[in-house]
Amino acid sequence: AQSVTQPDIHITVSEGASLELRCNYSYGATPYLFWYVQSPGQGLQLLLKYFSGDTLVQGIKGFEAEFKRSQSSFNLRKPSVHWSDAAEYFCAVVWTGNQFYFGTGTSLTVIP
Amino acid sequence: EPEVTQTPSHQVTQMGQEVILRCVPISNHLYFYWYRQILGQKVEFLVSFYNNEISEKSEIFDDQFSVERPDGSNFTLKIRSTKLEDSAMYFCASSGPSDEYQETQYFGPGTRLLVL
Repeated sequence: AQSVTQPDIHITVSEGASLELRCNYSYGATPYLFWYVQSPGQGLQLLLKYFSGDTLVQGIKGFEAEFKRSQSSFNLRKPSVHWSDAAEYFCAVVWTGNQFYFGTGTSLTVIP
Repeated sequence: EPEVTQTPSHQVTQMGQEVILRCVPISNHLYFYWYRQILGQKVEFLVSFYNNEISEKSEIFDDQFSVERPDGSNFTLKIRSTKLEDSAMYFCASSGPSDEYQETQYFGPGTRLLVL
């Protein structure tokens, strides 16, 4: 069955430090992959997406993600975190049809 | 930049009452969705809607739920007889200015429903 795993429930980083949020998916077929961010009381904002082609994709707010087929992963990275990046981050996957499968989310805290 | 809007932002209702959550998708989109997020849990797919009919639905979307596109702009989710466990944030999303269904879904800000 399809599933999306975000192994880290909560991550704390210092402002200016680098960040990597992990996302793994199950099921054999290569899906379409997305990262969304949810600030407190806000909706889901699309950060970036991967459909095909270059496996390193750039998104908004300085984020990037790399699709690794061999590891069934789509990890989100940012070289230097800002305090405003504190939020909940969701990985989402679409296999067939258009039903999104979301991970459980990773909560990011940024220490000044 | 066009965006998905949802009303109301918050809704409090008594158990057993009917609620209607409203969404205005991005105007040229063709696919519409509802998701819910119970507090502290993951976002879960409820239903997708295309060409005036449901195209997919999850196990959560039982007979107490219905969706409708009453006019050219609104997309609604109705819960006929609310239960305590329906308390959640409900997100509307839309996608697809074309028939290519694997378009990116754009989410609204959500409606927080509290059933007492």
